[in-house]
Amino acid sequence: EAGVAQSPRYKIIEKRQSVAFWCNPISGHATLYWYQQILGQGPKLLIQFQNNGVVDDSQLPKDRFSAERLKGVDSTLKIQPAKLEDSAVYLCASSLEWQVQETQYFGPGTRLLVL
Amino acid sequence: GQQVMQIPQYQHVQEGEDFTTYCNSSTTLSNIQWYKQRPGGHPVFLIQLVKSGEVKKQKRLTFQFGEAKKNSSLHITATQTTDVGTYFCRVYNQGGKLIFGQGTELSVKP
Repeated sequence: EAGVAQSPRYKIIEKRQSVAFWCNPISGHATLYWYQQILGQGPKLLIQFQNNGVVDDSQLPKDRFSAERLKGVDSTLKIQPAKLEDSAVYLCASSLEWQVQETQYFGPGTRLLVL
Repeated sequence: GQQVMQIPQYQHVQEGEDFTTYCNSSTTLSNIQWYKQRPGGHPVFLIQLVKSGEVKKQKRLTFQFGEAKKNSSLHITATQTTDVGTYFCRVYNQGGKLIFGQGTELSVKP
């Protein structure tokens, strides 16, 4: 079974530029999560989708971050414009359903460096 | 809002020594999951605890859920260099929001 795929793996941009990350969850997984992990910290949930609907985006900086999962499968996270403090690893995860006991499967992440 | 504290933040041990990390919540938890993240890697699911006082074992790893379901621990017996990484607990707070602990980074000196 293929795991969660993410691209690109690495990205270096200058502040005020835009960047987009892509995630393809495990086939059949209804729930998709985007996390931001700053060095030395635990993953912070940015947005959670159940199929193509948003379950939780309370920690998403909506003035610059956006995410979509139009067909309920793959998803895109965008930052526009980027700030220095956005430098982090962006992790995508998926789970079979949206239940508190569901295991999350993480992708390899996209390492973003904003200069 | 609910806070989850993980201690210690770092632990350096000699190979063969034991290691324990703790996850403490200010409120009762429905369940708790533990993940391991190797350096440069992504979090990988280890175990889930649901019942009060539950204890689960995976080889040298022992996981416990407190009687009050407010705290949990992960204990590694006789650490090996393959145990290196950061261990995170993950919970849902009472508002249904996902929270990861800050993690405990384990380094093992051979």
